[in-house]
Amino acid sequence: KQEVTQIPAALSVPEGENLVLNCSFTDSAIYNLQWFRQDPGKGLTSLLLIQSSQREQTSGRLNASLDKSSGRSTLYIAASQPGDSATYLCAVRPHSGYGGSQGNLIFGKGTKLSVKP
Amino acid sequence: AAGVIQSPRHLIKEKRETATLKCYPIPRHDTVYWYQQGPGQDPQFLISFYEKMQSDKGSIPDRFSAQQFSDYHSELNMSSLELGDSALYFCASSLSPTEGRRFFGPGTRLTVL
Repeated sequence: KQEVTQIPAALSVPEGENLVLNCSFTDSAIYNLQWFRQDPGKGLTSLLLIQSSQREQTSGRLNASLDKSSGRSTLYIAASQPGDSATYLCAVRPHSGYGGSQGNLIFGKGTKLSVKP
Repeated sequence: AAGVIQSPRHLIKEKRETATLKCYPIPRHDTVYWYQQGPGQDPQFLISFYEKMQSDKGSIPDRFSAQQFSDYHSELNMSSLELGDSALYFCASSLSPTEGRRFFGPGTRLTVL
């Protein structure tokens, strides 16, 4: 059964720091991995999507990497800003050929990031 | 750019009542997914639809049902509400079941008293 773990559960950094959020998954048979941002009580904003055949994706100050064989992904945030404060969730889509399903995204519990001015 | 629309945004119901949540996907998106996120929990997949047919089923209780209509909007019907049904209910859409990126709506916060 696919399980997604995010470490750390919470992170507090001063403004301007570069930081890395970690995501690991137990079954490497994934279709893709997606990083989301969630503000308190709000919806999920898609940040980056990495297909299983890709190694990384970049968008602005964000860079996400994927090492499928080791079951790991990282989200790198450069020059953090107070506006980056939110919970960051990673989610994997299991490969349907391995007992997974096309509908299901399996989420980690998130890393709550706080960037202090 | 148009996003996923959900209504209502907030809903308060009593135990054993029914509720209907609506989701309007991004234009041209034919696939809709429903997720439930309890307080402090990660989102859990409930059910999905592709071209008005149920395409996948997750941890949706038997008390809940859903459908997708000809205009691709979807409704989640919840009956015999329980206190534990209080949660954020998200709808997401994608261009197709195979197109990876899911776009989530702002959610409906359901409170059952």
